[in-house]
Amino acid sequence: NAGVTQTPKFQVLKTGQSMTLQCAQDMNHNSMYWYRQDPGMGLRLIYYSASEGTTDKGEVPNGYNVSRLNKREFSLRLESAAPSQTSVYFCASSEAARVSGNTIYFGEGSWLTVV
Amino acid sequence: QQQVKQSPQSLIVQKGGIPIINCAYENTAFDYFPWYQQFPGKGPALLIAIRPDVSEKKEGRFTISFNKSAKQFSLHIMDSQPGDSATYFCAAHNTGGFKTIFGAGTRLFVKA
Repeated sequence: NAGVTQTPKFQVLKTGQSMTLQCAQDMNHNSMYWYRQDPGMGLRLIYYSASEGTTDKGEVPNGYNVSRLNKREFSLRLESAAPSQTSVYFCASSEAARVSGNTIYFGEGSWLTVV
Repeated sequence: QQQVKQSPQSLIVQKGGIPIINCAYENTAFDYFPWYQQFPGKGPALLIAIRPDVSEKKEGRFTISFNKSAKQFSLHIMDSQPGDSATYFCAAHNTGGFKTIFGAGTRLFVKA
């Protein structure tokens, strides 16, 4: 059982470069999320997809775009990376975002450094 | 109103001690309060959760206490072990809402 798989695990980017973080889940979940984790800031929601075909902004969407490619896959794109985007990124999924008792399953994280 | 405030930011206890992590919220529409545990290099994973219709929930050595009138809830770890050393996040979610709101996290270190 892979759960939520995200790639790459580590990446170093130069300011202005672009990259895409890939994420796939094998739990047949409807909802998927991208979070970033920074020291002292907890987990902040960047974008989410409540169901296949929909995407919405979270708390910190600026500088990012997302694509819900199909029910399994949800990618995060940095169009022009900035040092402020240095962070640990987590992809996550849940059965249905609006359901009470919604358990979120996280991937293992992608460490991104922008220099 | 969407915030969940968590304290302390870090905590060091001796093995066998009872660390307590506190969280407070404003939005009375929240109806599900999970705690997530994160080990270094890993993603967070659900540890235990509570709904506001009960004041306490125990699972093994982990207990959530919930005070609805004060809009506060806390995690207690009984007989803490070095293996409990991790970052703990409280969170809140409301039925019909799309977002789970996380606290800032507490880094717990249990000394052997």
